[in-house]
Amino acid sequence: AQKITQTQPGMFVQEKEAVTLDCTYDTSDPSYGLFWYKQPSSGEMIFLIYQGSYDQQNATEGRYSLNFQKARKSANLVISASQLGDSAMYFCAMREDSGGSNYKLTFGKGTLLTVNP
Amino acid sequence: NAGVTQTPKFRILKIGQSMTLQCAQDMNHNYMYWYRQDPGMGLKLIYYSVGAGITDKGEVPNGYNVSRSTTEDFPLRLELAAPSQTSVYFCASRRGTPFSNQPQHFGDGTRLSIL
Repeated sequence: AQKITQTQPGMFVQEKEAVTLDCTYDTSDPSYGLFWYKQPSSGEMIFLIYQGSYDQQNATEGRYSLNFQKARKSANLVISASQLGDSAMYFCAMREDSGGSNYKLTFGKGTLLTVNP
Repeated sequence: NAGVTQTPKFRILKIGQSMTLQCAQDMNHNYMYWYRQDPGMGLKLIYYSVGAGITDKGEVPNGYNVSRSTTEDFPLRLELAAPSQTSVYFCASRRGTPFSNQPQHFGDGTRLSIL
């Protein structure tokens, strides 16, 4: 079974609207962390936001927020007020903390977001 | 603000050739990682290192070797290149703080084609 599932290969959003990118994960580890990265067409990987499994509140970073539903094992990224520069590939990734995982990340296949003017 | 530096940015190899992808970080990070990203896919872990002299296999290590003689450098060696190794390779590093929110910092990638 895949550890990180991103079910939306592509998403479209109008500029200035909000968009939610889905991410579900599979782990039996009680301690883990979830990351979102952005990969623009230029190819670099840009860290956006982090949510720890024990964090009581949903993470927020500027226009990015993470809708963390632990019981459903979902960690959806919400981008508010979309901008043209948000057009990129977005990856969800998980770090599992037990068994000497050494902070390795497991990535989903990504969602390609296109922001339309 | 160099961060993680990868060289070269692009390379074309012939089948059977060998090469080393270089990765250096100036953040004094203990943990370093090599990933490959195939078209339309997420990143898969090839090898990682938790400190100088210590390396271990990731999800897809076959056909690759690594070494970590210093904290700063983590080169990835391809022996006998095969077309299946055509990919974009990313090096990443992070601090060794346990269970924290420290992300992995990525280099800009090396685009490798095997023909």
